[in-house]
Amino acid sequence: GAGVSQSPSNKVTEKGKDVELRCDPISGHTALYWYRQSLGQGLEFLIYFQGNSAPDKSGLPSDRFSAERTGGSVSTLTIQRTQQEDSAVYLCASSLQVQSYGYTFGSGTRLTVV
Amino acid sequence: AQSVSQHNHHVILSEAASLELGCNYSYGGTVNLFWYVQYPGQHLQLLLKYFSGDPLVKGIKGFEAEFIKSKFSFNLRKPSVQWSDTAEYFCAVNLNRDDKIIFGKGTRLHILP
Repeated sequence: GAGVSQSPSNKVTEKGKDVELRCDPISGHTALYWYRQSLGQGLEFLIYFQGNSAPDKSGLPSDRFSAERTGGSVSTLTIQRTQQEDSAVYLCASSLQVQSYGYTFGSGTRLTVV
Repeated sequence: AQSVSQHNHHVILSEAASLELGCNYSYGGTVNLFWYVQYPGQHLQLLLKYFSGDPLVKGIKGFEAEFIKSKFSFNLRKPSVQWSDTAEYFCAVNLNRDDKIIFGKGTRLHILP
């Protein structure tokens, strides 16, 4: 597609429930990233996929968080047993080559855990 | 620890004032530097970037930034701000040997009409 597409744009869930967030990157972009944006905390790196390589999961805050990227394209971020501190905007970005182009971001999914 | 520091969390200016937002990073190797902007209700957009060459880079909407290697800084400037510049600005760094970008915590800029 023309841009990075994320769905849903907003999600309200009850504490303890699982949620899945979806990201559809720009066609042809081999790298895909998930970040979390909280008020006053900037952008926190979560996980990164590059082609067929094993993902860099170094930013995942707990084992309740996981992500997959199927067929080198669409990615889903799953949060199990959600907690109130998981409330944030989850951003997806894709890139052809970070060193030359930086990232293109999606509009994000605003997650609210009640 | 490696980090990106933005000195101002919240800046309020009047229209036509000059702007300088500070950014320092702590990486010692070759870096690529970025400023991203997030206008109210919109997604993050690339404002400008530095990879190599002239350390003074120009971006969209009249913004520019200067890379000073000796000071590990990449400050963002604009000589005369407009109300439409109200947004949150993020400084970011990529280590040339890495594929991730590390972001600062952002500066909220509010321009008074």
